[in-house]
Amino acid sequence: AQSVTQLDSHVSVSEGTPVLLRCNYSSSYSPSLFWYVQHPNKGLQLLLKYTSAATLVKGINGFEAEFKKSETSFHLTKPSAHMSDAAEYFCVVPHSGGYQKVTFGTGTKLQVIP
Amino acid sequence: DVKVTQSSRYLVKRTGEKVFLECVQDMDHENMFWYRQDPGLGLRLIYFSYDVKMKEKGDIPEGYSVSREKKERFSLILESASTNQTSMYLCASSLSYTRNQPQHFGDGTRLSIL
Repeated sequence: AQSVTQLDSHVSVSEGTPVLLRCNYSSSYSPSLFWYVQHPNKGLQLLLKYTSAATLVKGINGFEAEFKKSETSFHLTKPSAHMSDAAEYFCVVPHSGGYQKVTFGTGTKLQVIP
Repeated sequence: DVKVTQSSRYLVKRTGEKVFLECVQDMDHENMFWYRQDPGLGLRLIYFSYDVKMKEKGDIPEGYSVSREKKERFSLILESASTNQTSMYLCASSLSYTRNQPQHFGDGTRLSIL
């Protein structure tokens, strides 16, 4: 079965400094992986997706993630945090069966300090 | 862009009432999903549908039912609302015919049962 582990429940950075949100996956095959962002009282918005075409994936709002099979990781990064990045971030892996069901990580809340 | 629209952002109902939450997507997606999101419990799948009139139970279907009479619309029904169903409800949709398609989410309905 596929699973994801988000290693930090909360991350705090200063505005203008780099962001690193960590995600490790467990899968019996090379999976697809997604990162979503959720701002307060909003739904989840797709940030980026990895589907084996390229290991470095660029997403919206300056975020990117690198798929590392040897480390079973898919960490989300951004060179310079902005106040508007304060939100909760979810790492997500699709199930191997049909219907496009997914498994969500437990989420990482990003705080950006002015 | 995919648009998933949930009919209400905020809803307040009383215990014992029958409650309908509506979700409409405009991208002809085959799959539609209902989740609830609670602090400390993450996102949990209530029901999903992979075609018109087809539905499958998710992880926590008790106390809920669903209806999908048209491809674009997926309704969640609380048969007799209870206070433990106070939550944020999220609807999502995705394509079916290619693997590993991401889900697209609505903005959520924050439901309070008094």
